[in-house]
This record gives sequence, structure tokens and C-alpha cells, in this order.
Amino acid sequence: DQQVKQNSPSLSVQEGRISILNCDYTNSMFDYFLWYKKYPAEGPTFLISISSIKDKNEDGRFTVFLNKSAKHLSLHIVPSQPGDSAVYFCAATGYSSASKIIFGSGTRLSIRP
Amino acid sequence: KAGVTQTPRYLIKTRGQQVTLSCSPISGHRSVSWYQQTPGQGLQFLFEYFSETQRNKGNFPGRFSGRQFSNSRSEMNVSTLELGDSALYLCASSLVDRGDTQYFGPGTRLTVL
Repeated sequence: DQQVKQNSPSLSVQEGRISILNCDYTNSMFDYFLWYKKYPAEGPTFLISISSIKDKNEDGRFTVFLNKSAKHLSLHIVPSQPGDSAVYFCAATGYSSASKIIFGSGTRLSIRP
Repeated sequence: KAGVTQTPRYLIKTRGQQVTLSCSPISGHRSVSWYQQTPGQGLQFLFEYFSETQRNKGNFPGRFSGRQFSNSRSEMNVSTLELGDSALYLCASSLVDRGDTQYFGPGTRLTVL
């Protein structure tokens, strides 16, 4: 039972355009969501997060949108740059220390020139 | 401040053997989580330790175990290795709760022959 789903295993976007990565979740107890970026041979690095009390969080070129009613979040990268090529993981958890952090299966983003 | 370190980086074992992986969290971080990453499965949560106690556990068989020492360093052990245990094992540390930003180590690549 995948509680966090990233249905697109890969995405190719032209440099300078917007990249939109999507993530769906099923557990309504999740109230904190994170995006991580992973390069080959490295561990994931934290990118941006959003709590359920917000519907948008922005950090430079990265914006995360949360639609609680649809249990859907998305990561927008604009403009996309070659260094953005990586695997992006969506993750969800609760604030409670009893909550697990659950990751999606990842989306491989390729930025083409 | 030094990041999360994991040793060894690469490991080759045969079926039936056991293996111990080590993780040193960022100084001051008290929560250490372990994840298994396999192609197509994303990051799957193994367990989390806080103050030498296992605080949460994922859906893995009892062959997977771990512990945390008083200096927050953590070890993960897999006994009776199976071919399907071949994966990248990632350790992540955070200050207190998993709602805090997690910082990942580079991982240990385990290959079971």
C-alpha cells in the first residue's frame, strides 16, 4: 500500500521552462510534506517543505503547492536549469514523533538544452 | 559542521551472511533514521532511533535490526542476507523529530551475491 505516490517515473523539460513534479498521498493524517533531490552516488538533500496549514511555499526557483482536498502536492521549478537534473522524492509525515516519514518512489527529472 | 557519514560505502556479501552498517549523525542531532532504496521502490523506511531507543519501525522482517549508541551513532544489522537485500541503505539524522529537516548520508551500497 503506497501511501505516497509519484506516478511519473521520469520527466524531461527544456532548459528555461517550468518543471512540474507531482505527488499524491492517501493518508489524511499526514500534515507535513517535503521534497528531496538526489544526485547519483549521493544521499538525498532537502529541498523544500510545506505544512498542511499552508497551500503554498516558495523558496527561490522552487515552489511547492498543496491541495489538501485532493491530497495532492506539486513542486514547480522555474526556470529549470541543467543542474536541476536529478531524482526528486516527495515525502510525507506528521509532526508527532510517532509519525513515520514516508517517501514516494521518485521522479527522474532531465533538463535538456 | 560535518555531515552525516556512513561506512562502509560499498559492501559485497553472499547469501546467508550478515552485515553491519554504521552511521554517524550530524553533531547535535539525536534522531537517526534508516532507509532502503531499491530501483523503482523509492525510499522505504526501516526504523528510527532517538536517544538510544527505537521510536518507530517500518514493515521489514526481523532480520533487519538496529541500535543507537549514547553518542547518537547508529548501526544497522541485516542477518541471513537474501539476494533481495541488495540496495542502497541510507541513514538520515535530524535534531529531534522527523518533522525536522533530515540530512542524509551518502549511503552504503550493499550487493548480495
